[in-house]
Amino acid sequence: LAKTTQPISMDSYEGQEVNITCSHNNIATNDYITWYQQFPSQGPRFIIQGYKTKVTNEVASLFIPADRKSSTLSLPRVSLSDTAVYYCLVGDPYGGSQGNLIFGKGTKLSVKP
Amino acid sequence: SQTIHQWPATLVQPVGSPLSLECTVEGTSNPNLYWYRQAAGRGLQLLFYSVGIGQISSEVPQNLSASRPQDRQFILSSKKLLLSDSGFYLCAWSALSNEQFFGPGTRLTVL
Repeated sequence: LAKTTQPISMDSYEGQEVNITCSHNNIATNDYITWYQQFPSQGPRFIIQGYKTKVTNEVASLFIPADRKSSTLSLPRVSLSDTAVYYCLVGDPYGGSQGNLIFGKGTKLSVKP
Repeated sequence: SQTIHQWPATLVQPVGSPLSLECTVEGTSNPNLYWYRQAAGRGLQLLFYSVGIGQISSEVPQNLSASRPQDRQFILSSKKLLLSDSGFYLCAWSALSNEQFFGPGTRLTVL
């Protein structure tokens, strides 16, 4: 199982770009990298998913180096409402075994005014 | 569109009492279903997942059990609750990709 390591917490200010890095040294060939956001007392919400290089959507960008042993979630110009816990997951979406989709402890991002 | 329901939203139960939490999904067929638990200030812990009716995989040994009597119904149960069972229980579903869609959760307090 691909285990992930993220910083426990990060602080930022409104308007700044925030980069959260996740390490996954044992990522398998068929694994994808997925990031979720969770607000208190709510279920996590999908943010972005990628396999290699760079993926961008309306919310965030995901940077994955060639060796895929880490990934960086980039949130442009954060606001107070981006204060949440961010989880990095790795897993094979088409492998049939769903038990390898493990949520770690996540990174608690606090955005200050 | 797909929706996922969980009930009850909150529950307070005494130690030793039974538990039954229900999760249903609408708008999709043969989803993968998951039960997670999140203790206060902790990450999500995968408890059970199911790829089909009657197929349950347990990730963590505990006094909880899960069942999937219908394609879009997932039930989490316990015969005797422990104090350590308190937490926020989340049900989720996924289709072909590993994007999981979570329900609103059940906050369980065991006294």
